[in-house]
Amino acid sequence: GAVVSQHPSWVICKSGTSVKIECRSLDFQATTMFWYRQFPKQSLMLMATSNEGSKATYEQGVEKDKFLINHASLTLSTLTVTSAHPEDSSFYICSAVIGGSLALEQFFGPGTRLTVL
Amino acid sequence: AQSVSQHNHHVILSEAASLELGCNYSYGGTVNLFWYVQYPGQHLQLLLKYFSGDPLVKGIKGFEAEFIKSKFSFNLRKPSVQWSDTAEYFCAVLEDSSYKLIFGSGTRLLVRP
Repeated sequence: GAVVSQHPSWVICKSGTSVKIECRSLDFQATTMFWYRQFPKQSLMLMATSNEGSKATYEQGVEKDKFLINHASLTLSTLTVTSAHPEDSSFYICSAVIGGSLALEQFFGPGTRLTVL
Repeated sequence: AQSVSQHNHHVILSEAASLELGCNYSYGGTVNLFWYVQYPGQHLQLLLKYFSGDPLVKGIKGFEAEFIKSKFSFNLRKPSVQWSDTAEYFCAVLEDSSYKLIFGSGTRLLVRP
């Protein structure tokens, strides 16, 4: 149980275009999901916290207008990278917490590798 | 601000060698600690976690970690590594009840057969 999927697993796009990444909890409801980015050979950096039915909370230094997050249902959160540029190329990872769980454990998706040309 | 330090960035071991990866945290609240592993090409998986109770925590695949409050440490250990343990290991601390995970920089482990 507690499987999180991401789609697509990798994407290549031209500079200036927008890319949408989906994060789904397959077998549980997730009231809270997180979005991270991971640069090569670096650790995961939290970008934002996504709560179902409310606005996402962004970490300091993360542009909310550039990284649009929508958590419209208890099993789906989306991250849209708007007007992507080469510096946005990274590995984007989502995680989800089982709704109502006291276990405080995040379940991670497999990640989406974004390459902006 | 809370932070997590992993001192070993790269570790190379031969099979059957013992492993200890260092993790130190800086956090003033209730400490919830995790070790995650990321195998090549795969997603992050939880190895073990500490919330309270016995400071020696046993996880999957023979890994264990010891929480030493006085040293602000949560080192990961395995008595005998295997080639399949080659992966990147991340220590993380959870902010009280916000669910936010603060990750260390990671340690890349290479186990030679």
